[in-house]
Amino acid sequence: GAVVSQHPSRVICKSGTSVKIECRSLDFQATTMFWYRQFPKQSLMLMATSNEGSKATYEQGVEKDKFLINHASLTLSTLTVTSAHPEDSSFYICSARLGPGTGVPSWPGETQYFGPGTRLLVL
Amino acid sequence: GQNIDQPTEMTATEGAIVQINCTYQTSGFNGLFWYQQHAGEAPTFLSYNVLDGLEEKGRFSSFLSRSKGYSYLLLKELQMKDSASYLCAVMDSNYQLIWGAGTKLIIKP
Repeated sequence: GAVVSQHPSRVICKSGTSVKIECRSLDFQATTMFWYRQFPKQSLMLMATSNEGSKATYEQGVEKDKFLINHASLTLSTLTVTSAHPEDSSFYICSARLGPGTGVPSWPGETQYFGPGTRLLVL
Repeated sequence: GQNIDQPTEMTATEGAIVQINCTYQTSGFNGLFWYQQHAGEAPTFLSYNVLDGLEEKGRFSSFLSRSKGYSYLLLKELQMKDSASYLCAVMDSNYQLIWGAGTKLIIKP
């Protein structure tokens, strides 16, 4: 099956620093990747949709200047948390979607493959 | 607005059967998904329903009624490893997944 990796799996940083999280599709090309955030005991919250070669689409309430997304290739998307603060501490998960990127999944049953997540702790 | 409702927490006994319900109101419908998420891990796919009826996959079954905006996930012969959160998600008319808050399932011996 399709595999999505994330790096790093865990990061601790000081307040005010920037952190970059990488999301890679290892054995398939993903024209669309999604970035989620999950706070403890809460559900996944979609932050943004990342399309290869174009600007990311951010969900309402997500600051695009704070959460920089770059989808430079069909296998790599990065999320940079700029000037991180303790309230940014969370579990960040990416997912990649199969299909031609038109919005129609090739196999709806597994439309999104999730990475293992990155746990960010800002001190 | 779009809304997915599922119970926050459920408790069941090892070896028993449990049913987790999900109701939804979304702009368009292109299928309903159930995911399992263990603590500290990413979600893993369990099932997909787009037509009314029951889909069975081993110990897990998922049911959908589109007219009622309702689904359930049925887990049989519960095992301790089934302790996890179960997320209901609906794909809307834009093929975006709308997520429920998840149901934490606690299995007791």
